[in-house]
Amino acid sequence: GEDVEQSLFLSVREGDSSVINCTYTDSSSTYLYWYKQEPGAGLQLLTYIFSNMDMKQDQRLTVLLNKKDKHLSLRIADTQTGDSAIYFCAERTYNTDKLIFGTGTRLQVFP
Amino acid sequence: EAGVTQFPSHSVIEKGQTVTLRCDPISGHDNLYWYRRVMGKEIKFLLHFVKESKQDESGMPNNRFLAERTGGTYSTLKVQPAELEDSGVYFCASSQWTSGEYEQFFGPGTRLTVL
Repeated sequence: GEDVEQSLFLSVREGDSSVINCTYTDSSSTYLYWYKQEPGAGLQLLTYIFSNMDMKQDQRLTVLLNKKDKHLSLRIADTQTGDSAIYFCAERTYNTDKLIFGTGTRLQVFP
Repeated sequence: EAGVTQFPSHSVIEKGQTVTLRCDPISGHDNLYWYRRVMGKEIKFLLHFVKESKQDESGMPNNRFLAERTGGTYSTLKVQPAELEDSGVYFCASSQWTSGEYEQFFGPGTRLTVL
């Protein structure tokens, strides 16, 4: 079946690294995404990774994928107060456009 | 270029009433999707249009929900009659496949409260 799980909350100090974790169950997932939602705004695509990759880095963002354990993580280096938002993990299989989302992780950054 | 827009931003109705949500996708995008997030849970897929045709409506919860996309441009999602459990945030997204790249662009959502 299709299921994506995330922890609900994460609180970090400004300047530290944040690591948001996600697990999924569908082994046929081909694309895995991280979306960010700021208050009152829509979902913004941060980054995505193909299932044949282990890691992807984009400026302060690092995505790690462990296909064996079906575990995806998003690391934000030098976390800033502007990074405070809800982060959603999502998966998609090759034969559909449908995104399967997790519950979202609320990241709070304090000074 | 304008992004995906949704109207209204908020709607408060009573149980049994009808509500119609509207989504305007990014101009030129053939794919349009509806999702909803209920009570802080995961965001769930409702359906997918390709132009005016329903490609996948496997996520529609029941026959109280009717989605249309006449002319392949904007889409409406009607809930009739609304029930308490329909409360949540309804997101619309659009996409267009280009050069092997694919991204769904999301609107800000419509927050629906059914009392």
